[in-house]
Amino acid sequence: DVKVTQSSRYLVKRTGEKVFLECVQDMDHENMFWYRQDPGLGLRLIYFSYDVKMKEKGDIPEGYSVSREKKERFSLILESASTNQTSMYLCASNAGPTETQYFGPGTRLLVL
Amino acid sequence: GESVGLHLPTLSVQEGDNSIINCAYSNSASDYFIWYKQESGKGPQFIIDIRSNMDKRQGQRVTVLLNKTVKHLSLQIAATQPGDSAVYFCFNDYKLSFGAGTTVTVRA
Repeated sequence: DVKVTQSSRYLVKRTGEKVFLECVQDMDHENMFWYRQDPGLGLRLIYFSYDVKMKEKGDIPEGYSVSREKKERFSLILESASTNQTSMYLCASNAGPTETQYFGPGTRLLVL
Repeated sequence: GESVGLHLPTLSVQEGDNSIINCAYSNSASDYFIWYKQESGKGPQFIIDIRSNMDKRQGQRVTVLLNKTVKHLSLQIAATQPGDSAVYFCFNDYKLSFGAGTTVTVRA
C-alpha cells in the first residue's frame, strides 16, 4: 500500500520562527511536491523536486525553501514564519510527470 | 495564464441522484487530466484520469468526459452516496494546476 507521511498533523508556531515540515514517501518515487491549500483557492504548488538535490519553483515559492537530500524525503522550510503562511500544507509524490500524485494527510499550520 | 477552475464551489445532491461536477481549463497544451477526491481531514485521492486522446472514460460509478473543443472536463457520479461527500478537484499536467475545488454534500 502506497504511503506518504507528514511529520505533523497540526503545528502552532510564532511569527519569525523557522519551521520545518517533513514529508516521507515509501514508493521510491522520483517526484515530490509541496502544496498549500486555502479555502476558495484550492491547491497551489509551492515547490517540487524531480530528483535528489533538485528543486523547481511552483506558483507561490516566496517565503519558502525546500530540501531533498534523500529520494524518499522532501522538506519544506519556512525561514521566518508569517501569519499569512497559516494554511494546510500537503505533500505529494509520483513516479513520473503524467502519473497520479499520492498525497499525505496534510499539516495544518497556524502562525500566531 | 493557466487556469483550472470548477464552475461551482458547492453542490448539494440528493442521495441516489447523479452528480455532475464541471471544470474548465485554459491551455490547450494540457495532455493529462485527473479528478481527485478529498475527504475531511485527508489528503486528495485519485478517482479517475483521462488523456487528451480520449473524450470519455468510465470507472466504478464515475465517468469523466473531456471536451477539448471548449476545454471542459466533467466528472459524473452515478447514484450518489453519502460517502461521496467531499471536495473534488480537477488537475491537469500543464503547470501542475489544480482547480479551486467543488464541495459536494449528499442529502439523505
